[in-house]
Amino acid sequence: AQSVAQPEDQVNVAEGNPLTVKCTYSVSGNPYLFWYVQYPNRGLQFLLKYITGDNLVKGSYGFEAEFNKSQTSFHLKKPSALVSDSALYFCAVRDDTGGFKTIFGAGTRLFVKA
Amino acid sequence: EAGVTQSPTHLIKTRGQQATLRCSPISGHTSVYWYQQALGLGLQFLLWYDEGEERNRGNFPPRFSGRQFPNYSSELNVNALELEDSALYLCASSLQGKRNEKLFFGSGTQLSVL
Repeated sequence: AQSVAQPEDQVNVAEGNPLTVKCTYSVSGNPYLFWYVQYPNRGLQFLLKYITGDNLVKGSYGFEAEFNKSQTSFHLKKPSALVSDSALYFCAVRDDTGGFKTIFGAGTRLFVKA
Repeated sequence: EAGVTQSPTHLIKTRGQQATLRCSPISGHTSVYWYQQALGLGLQFLLWYDEGEERNRGNFPPRFSGRQFPNYSSELNVNALELEDSALYLCASSLQGKRNEKLFFGSGTQLSVL
């Protein structure tokens, strides 16, 4: 069965500092990994997805994610945080044995302080 | 191009009543997914429809049901409402055929059960 863990409920960073939002996953087959962001009172927006062979994936708004197969992790990163990055971030996974069901983590709230 | 649209935006019901939530996917998308976002619980997978058929179901009781119409729009029905059904219900659509296809989300229906 698929599962996703986001170990931090909240991450606080200062504007201009690098940020990392952690995600680990468990799947039966090959993983298809995604990050989504939810701004207040809005639906989720796609940020980036893992593409086979590229361990560092670049996405929207300057975000990137690092895939580590041995650690079954897909951490979201950004070199320099902006106040406008403050939002709720979700990691999600599908595998190639579970149909097209996408499972989401519990979410991590990112606060960027000016 | 119109995004995923959901109606109503807000819905207030009393315990024991039935609620009907509606979703129109992006034009050309045949897959529709329903998620429940309860406070502090992240996104819980409810249902996946494709080409008019229910393809997968999450761990929810049978009083959560739905359907997909020939135009690919979808309806989620919740019978015998309970207080804990209060949540944001998100609909998403995607193209079918590839496991790394991203989801496009609507803004959700906020269901309040009194």
